[in-house]
Amino acid sequence: SQELEQSPQSLIVQEGKNLTINCTSSKTLYGLYWYKQKYGEGLIFLMMLQKGGEEKSHEKITAKLDEKKQQSSLHITASQPSHAGIYLCGADKGGADGLTFGKGTHLIIQP
Amino acid sequence: GAGVSQSPSNKVTEKGKDVELRCDPISGHTALYWYRQSLGQGLEFLIYFQGNSAPDKSGLPSDRFSAERTGGSVSTLTIQRTQQEDSAVYLCASSLARRDPNNEQFFGPGTRLTVL
Repeated sequence: SQELEQSPQSLIVQEGKNLTINCTSSKTLYGLYWYKQKYGEGLIFLMMLQKGGEEKSHEKITAKLDEKKQQSSLHITASQPSHAGIYLCGADKGGADGLTFGKGTHLIIQP
Repeated sequence: GAGVSQSPSNKVTEKGKDVELRCDPISGHTALYWYRQSLGQGLEFLIYFQGNSAPDKSGLPSDRFSAERTGGSVSTLTIQRTQQEDSAVYLCASSLARRDPNNEQFFGPGTRLTVL
């Protein structure tokens, strides 16, 4: 059963605007991964968060993991067309062998 | 360096036929994962290999699905008597080690399977 909820399911943002994508788990996470998927391509690793309250940034993308390690947000500042794609959060719950993924957030950047 | 590669990139087959999907992990990566991405379902974990150890098959959706990994490297995912609901993108990923805190899984481009 799906244990990771992502919101929103889809997002249309004007180029240059900021946006936030959320990922919520019903259980405490061992690790939380953010991936980006461009259409027809594989998954590209963005960031991995493990500690409660942790925050990481890469270029214009910042990801945070809350203190309880059950919710993460991905924030994009001054969005660009290259940010368009599907953003997936993946969770390592510490017991499973593979990651459990959310259904993804489909991001469209309007020029 | 080379990433994870998968073949074929696209496969169209008739219902009832068997198909074999191949994954070449990054050299030196001991952990290998198979996932399935169905339309509207998100990514679903299927099976995991750690080196030459027996795989954890708990995620396989039915006994028509099987996977093997030869010599701790290349892996094949076989689907027997394919059904239309098997249509999906099958993704393979590899990582250096399973329980490393920085266990980044590197994903291949996927194989798009269409069962007619």
